[in-house]
Amino acid sequence: QQQVKQSPQSLIVQKGGISIINCAYENTAFDYFPWYQQFPGKGPALLIAIRPDVSEKKEGRFTISFNKSAKQFSLHIMDSQPGDSATYFCAASLKNNNAGNMLTFGGGTRLMVKP
Amino acid sequence: KAGVTQTPRYLIKTRGQQVTLSCSPISGHRSVSWYQQTPGQGLQFLFEYFSETQRNKGNFPGRFSGRQFSNSRSEMNVSTLELGDSALYLCASSLVLARTYEQYFGPGTRLTVT
Repeated sequence: QQQVKQSPQSLIVQKGGISIINCAYENTAFDYFPWYQQFPGKGPALLIAIRPDVSEKKEGRFTISFNKSAKQFSLHIMDSQPGDSATYFCAASLKNNNAGNMLTFGGGTRLMVKP
Repeated sequence: KAGVTQTPRYLIKTRGQQVTLSCSPISGHRSVSWYQQTPGQGLQFLFEYFSETQRNKGNFPGRFSGRQFSNSRSEMNVSTLELGDSALYLCASSLVLARTYEQYFGPGTRLTVT
């Protein structure tokens, strides 16, 4: 019930292309869906996040698409650049903020953008 | 504003020993969460502290414990270390406001158990 499944595990994209990473969740109580970017030797950095009351959120080249009925959400990276090469994690958090913060993470996607 | 800081950054310990890791949250953040990251299990939630109280706990044995101080700084302790405890331990801090969920991670402490 707490699982978040992420695909693909690895992705190779040409510079300028679109990178798409997908996640699916099971627990309908999840209320917050962030994406994190992690470079080797660094901690995950919050990239963009969405709440289930919207179907899409865009920040610069990064867009989250959210499908509540299918319990799926995805990250699109437009005009992918070699500097985007990193591991990306989707995550989900439960609804009641007063009950605390606990992120459930997907397994990660290693993105390589070829110049 | 300074980010989340963790000390030490790297640590090598022997099986059976214990270890204490430290985390200083972003100024003003009152919630501190700890996560374990390994190649096999990915990122897993350990526990969360808010106002010096453990608010949530993940599925880890009692050898893993933590605490939070009045200035929101947090420590986690692992006793009787096992080889499988080798991992990157990440601390994340967040504000505690209505519908504010953002968690910001530190660089982590790389623990190697030999």
